[in-house]
Formats: sequence, C-alpha cells, structure tokens
Amino acid sequence: GAVVSQHPSWVICKSGTSVKIECRSLDFQATTMFWYRQFPKQSLMLMATSNEGSKATYEQGVEKDKFLINHASLTLSTLTVTSAHPEDSSFYICSATPGDLSTDTQYFGPGTRLTVL
Amino acid sequence: LAKTTQPISMDSYEGQEVNITCSHNNIATNDYITWYQQFPSQGPRFIIQGYKTKVTNEVASLFIPADRKSSTLSLPRVSLSDTAVYYCLYFSSGTYKYIFGTGTRLKVLA
Repeated sequence: GAVVSQHPSWVICKSGTSVKIECRSLDFQATTMFWYRQFPKQSLMLMATSNEGSKATYEQGVEKDKFLINHASLTLSTLTVTSAHPEDSSFYICSATPGDLSTDTQYFGPGTRLTVL
Repeated sequence: LAKTTQPISMDSYEGQEVNITCSHNNIATNDYITWYQQFPSQGPRFIIQGYKTKVTNEVASLFIPADRKSSTLSLPRVSLSDTAVYYCLYFSSGTYKYIFGTGTRLKVLA
C-alpha cells in the first residue's frame, strides 16, 4: 500500500528556535497534502492544506507566518514551526492521497512529536 | 455544518464482536466513508472504506445504510491489541477537507 513518511519522528528544541518537519509520499505522487496537529486524547485538528506549486491554505486560527508550509514537489511537503514556544508542543501529522481526494484512501504519516522547552 | 459523530468510548472483552457507529448527516452524494485506527503516538492507520451497503476485508466490515447518513464499523473477535481510537471520516467535496469526528476510544479487556 501507499506509504507516507515523516522526519523527524520526534524533536526537542529550545524556545525561540525553528523546527522543520518533512512529509514524504514514498511510492505515489500527491498534489495535495494535509497537516494536522493533535493534542493528548483529542482528535486530529487540520492546520492547513498544502498544494504543490502554490501557497498553502490555512485553517482559521492557524498563523501562516508561524507555521510555514512548502510543497515543493509532488512527493514532499514541509512544515516549519518558526520561533517555537512551549505551547507549540504537540504531535504533528501529515497525510496524502494518491488520487481523487473524495474517493481514494488518505494515508497518514507516522507523526512527529515536537517538544519545545 | 459537515461533521461526524461517534461515541466517545466503548469497552469490550476479548473475542467479542464490536460495532462502532458514526453519524454523518451532511455527507454528500459522492463522498466515501473511511475508518481509521490510531494507537498512541502514531499516525492513523487505514482500516476500511466504503460508499454504500457492505464492505468486508480481512480485518473489519463496514455497513452503510441506503441513506448513507451513518456507518457502522464491525470488528469481529477483538483482541487486546485492538485497544485504540477509531475514527470515521469522509472528504467533504463542499469544503475540500476531510471531516473528522472525535473518535471512539475502544478498550478491550481480558
């Protein structure tokens, strides 16, 4: 089946630094990828929709200058948390779909645990 | 407003069949329904997907009535390793995003 990877799987950083998380579709191309964050015992919350070759679409309340998304190719999207603070600590998950978003399966990455000290 | 609704939690014993129902009243005609399983600190894992009636694979069955306003995930003979959170979702062609519910926390007891 289709595989989505994320790197790193976990990261610890100091407050004020920036962290980049990569999301790759390993065996398929994805025009659209999605970024979620998840707090303990809560559902996934969509942060933004990442579109290859164009600007990401952010959900209401998500600061686009803080969470920079770049979808440079059909197999790679990156999320950069700029000037991270402890409240940004969370589990970040990306997803991608090989084909039609409404009919094809969405595949999730394994997630990245971000801890900001 | 597009959303899905599931029971927050369920308990079951090993070997029993577990049925988790999800309501999605505003699903559009062309939207497929998908169920995922998530373990702590992992990304959701695909279980099954369907459009209508019944779909079965090696791990689960999915029942979708004719009006498609709900769906039921059926896990036959659960084991301790099935303890996880289960999400139903669909891609809303109207809002161009996946609609998640709160998930159902299934706990399987010995």
